Amino acid sequence: DAGVIQSPRHEVTEMGQEVTLRCKPISGHNSLFWYRQTMMRGLELLIYFNNNVPIDDSGMPEDRFSAKMPNASFSTLKIQPSEPRDSAVYFCASRQGEGTEAFFGQGTRLTVV
Amino acid sequence: GESVGLHLPTLSVQEGDNSIINCAYSNSASDYFIWYKQESGKGPQFIIDIRSNMDKRQGQRVTVLLNKTVKHLSLQIAATQPGDSAVYFCAENIGGGSYIPTFGRGTSLIVHP
Repeated sequence: DAGVIQSPRHEVTEMGQEVTLRCKPISGHNSLFWYRQTMMRGLELLIYFNNNVPIDDSGMPEDRFSAKMPNASFSTLKIQPSEPRDSAVYFCASRQGEGTEAFFGQGTRLTVV
Repeated sequence: GESVGLHLPTLSVQEGDNSIINCAYSNSASDYFIWYKQESGKGPQFIIDIRSNMDKRQGQRVTVLLNKTVKHLSLQIAATQPGDSAVYFCAENIGGGSYIPTFGRGTSLIVHP
């Protein structure tokens, strides 16, 4: 298996632009997480999906952030409009079931200028 | 709120030494713990996990110890190698819920040849 696949690996965008990050979880996994990593705040959970349904989105910073999981093999995280403080590495992770380890993608490094 | 924390942000060791990375957790409902290794530019990678019905678990060159009395977790790496240099995170998962991995800030392990 290729693991969790994220795209793009790097994204540089101007403030105010829309940014869409993409994730393909490992086949057969039914849980998906989006995390954000910064030096100041570490790894923060943004949203958790189980069987394509958002279960916990309490970590989503504000209305500018939205996430979707239209099917078991694809998820997106969208930021509109983007701001410089959104600059971070965004990770997607998936797992097969509760109480098992989550597998992470390589991340998307987002820079908003 | 309750959170996972780490005692040492940076640990420097000589190649061949044993390393011990510590983690304190405060949520008594946590019953599943995972150690991850994150190398520069990559996503966190699963190392080893332990459930609360155990106090020790061994893998290849790694051992995780769990002390539920004082809510403490440690990762021991035997015969540390330069390739072990990375940031190590512990993640707690709260039982009875969605088992969402909650990460500590991480410890940077530096192995000197």
